[in-house]
Amino acid sequence: NAGVMQNPRHLVRRRGQEARLRCSPMKGHSHVYWYRQLPEEGLKFMVYLQKENIIDESGMPKERFSAEFPKEGPSILRIQQVVRGDSAAYFCASSQAEGTEAFFGQGTRLTVV
Amino acid sequence: AQKITQTQPGMFVQEKEAVTLDCTYDTSDPSYGLFWYKQPSSGEMIFLIYQGSYDQQNATEGRYSLNFQKARKSANLVISASQLGDSAMYFCAMREVETSGSRLTFGEGTQLTVNP
Repeated sequence: NAGVMQNPRHLVRRRGQEARLRCSPMKGHSHVYWYRQLPEEGLKFMVYLQKENIIDESGMPKERFSAEFPKEGPSILRIQQVVRGDSAAYFCASSQAEGTEAFFGQGTRLTVV
Repeated sequence: AQKITQTQPGMFVQEKEAVTLDCTYDTSDPSYGLFWYKQPSSGEMIFLIYQGSYDQQNATEGRYSLNFQKARKSANLVISASQLGDSAMYFCAMREVETSGSRLTFGEGTQLTVNP
């Protein structure tokens, strides 16, 4: 039973490009959470999704960031027109149901040059 | 106000000794959960231990135990018999069931170094 899979592990983008981060939850999990960790800081909640629905996006920046969790396939966090300040580690976590233990993926480290 | 406060940016402990990592929290939600995660230098987040606000007993998992003092709003992590592999960043996190559902709020972390 594979854990939460995130890819790529490392992503380098030039300013202005788009970044797409993928997260495949654990088998049987239909709840996905995205967090961002800036250098030397703790994780900050971004968005909570269930299949085909955004439940809570209160931590998402209003512009350039979007997330989806389609019926089939992984959850995608998309950052358009990246800027240097977007450089961070982006973690995905999944849970079987709301409020149950969430398991984290290994993260995607985005570097904007 | 900070929801989760970890006042120790860095801690040092001698191998085989016990160490306590502090965490205080702030919530008005009657139902909440407290978590500790370990983040080694490789970057992944490893779940260590969980304490629910209604749990009567302090949580324990192997060498990890959680010293839960509800009246003081503290949830300190105790690591017994420290090992070199325990050197990592440790994060305390909270889930407030009624106000924020499943999202976790993290502290800023404590960097633990275990010396041989």
